[in-house]
Amino acid sequence: DTGVSQDPRHKITKRGQNVTFRCDPISEHNRLYWYRQTLGQGPEFLTYFQNEAQLEKSRLLSDRFSAERPKGSFSTLEIQRTEQGDSAMYLCASSGGAGANVLTFGAGSRLTVL
Amino acid sequence: AQRVTQPEKLLSVFKGAPVELKCNYSYSGSPELFWYVQYSRQRLQLLLRHISRESIKGFTADLNKGETSFHLKKPFAQEEDSAMYYCALRGGSTLGRLYFGRGTQLTVWP
Repeated sequence: DTGVSQDPRHKITKRGQNVTFRCDPISEHNRLYWYRQTLGQGPEFLTYFQNEAQLEKSRLLSDRFSAERPKGSFSTLEIQRTEQGDSAMYLCASSGGAGANVLTFGAGSRLTVL
Repeated sequence: AQRVTQPEKLLSVFKGAPVELKCNYSYSGSPELFWYVQYSRQRLQLLLRHISRESIKGFTADLNKGETSFHLKKPFAQEEDSAMYYCALRGGSTLGRLYFGRGTQLTVWP
């Protein structure tokens, strides 16, 4: 296990297009988080899964955003009808077991909307 | 509402000098505080958490509930400490969700 994996690492798209990011957490972790980070800011919480259940969503997650975690393994974050304001680094993190409150982050997926 | 404030966006010190990165928080309950670090071209990673009361890479941080602070300190900074440091808070009811400060970029000059 090489930690939390995210794909793609970079995505450039035109405004109005849909994009999807994938996150593969550490295999034994049951919790999975999505964060967004813009330049000069710390990570901002988007949503959280425990196993396959999406337990919390931020108000930042507009109806153009949807996240899934089928079968409680990998997760996808889809952004529909992208806007320039969606340009950011999208971070995935996972946690579980004895270290349930310690998040292990992926390298992130950088989105640029032209 | 939970909030984490890191007042310094940039902090520069010379090698061997003491360093203190400030973090203040706002939370009405009993928080759990963390420091995460991001070295150049690496992913965000945990540096230390207050409940562990550990010293990691020479860094320590004490939770001061009276001052609602969790400042990160190191008595003798090293060049390899240059990185972005984020203070983060977890409130008791937020199921592991962390609130992050905006970060402090530490540069240690030789």
